[in-house]
Amino acid sequence: GQSLEQPSEVTAVEGAIVQINCTYQTSGFYGLSWYQQHDGGAPTFLSYNALDGLEETGRFSSFLSRSDSYGYLLLQELQMKDSASYFCAVRSYTDKLIFGTGTRLQVFP
Amino acid sequence: GAVVSQHPSWVICKSGTSVKIECRSLDFQATTMFWYRQFPKQSLMLMATSNEGSKATYEQGVEKDKFLINHASLTLSTLTVTSAHPEDSSFYICSAGGEETQYFGPGTRLLVL
Repeated sequence: GQSLEQPSEVTAVEGAIVQINCTYQTSGFYGLSWYQQHDGGAPTFLSYNALDGLEETGRFSSFLSRSDSYGYLLLQELQMKDSASYFCAVRSYTDKLIFGTGTRLQVFP
Repeated sequence: GAVVSQHPSWVICKSGTSVKIECRSLDFQATTMFWYRQFPKQSLMLMATSNEGSKATYEQGVEKDKFLINHASLTLSTLTVTSAHPEDSSFYICSAGGEETQYFGPGTRLLVL
C-alpha cells in the first residue's frame, strides 16, 4: 500500500522555528511536495523536492532524503498567519499527488 | 501563478439528486486534471484523474458509475455526483498543473440532506 505519515499537530510561538516531518512509502516516487491549507480553503503550493537536499524559499525550507524515504518542512520566524494545516504529497506516476495525513500547526502569540 | 476555478463553491441538495461540479483552468491548458475529496479534519483523498479526450482513471474504491467525470476540453473537467446521499457530503477539490506544481481550485462544499 501507499502511506505518508506526518505528526498530527504541532504548536509553537511567534518567531520560533518548527519542523514538520514526513515519512513515505509509495509505489512510485518522482518528488515530494508541501502544501499549506487554511481552514475552509484550498491547498496552496509551498515547495517541491525531486533530489536529495535542502530547498529554501524565504521563511520556508524543505528537505528530502530519498534513501530514507523522508522529508521535512522547516518554517522559520513563525507568524500567526502560518497557523494552518500542512500536507506533504508524493508525486507519483502521471503527475498525480498522494497526500500525507496532514499536520495542524498552531502558532501562539 | 496559474488559476483554477470551481463552480459552484457550495451546494445543498436532496438525497437522490445529481450534482455537477465544474473545474476550469483559467490561464493554461490542462490535458490532465485531478479530483480530490476531503472530509473534515482529514487529508485530501485522490478520487480520479481526468484525462482530456479519454476516460478518467479512478482510484481504488471509487465508484466510477457514481462519480462521473468528463474532460471535454483542455480547460474544463466536470465531476457529477449521481444519486447523491448524505455520506457523499464533503469538500470536493480539483487540481491541474505540471510536473512540479499542482494548482488547486477553491473547492466545492457539498451537503446532501
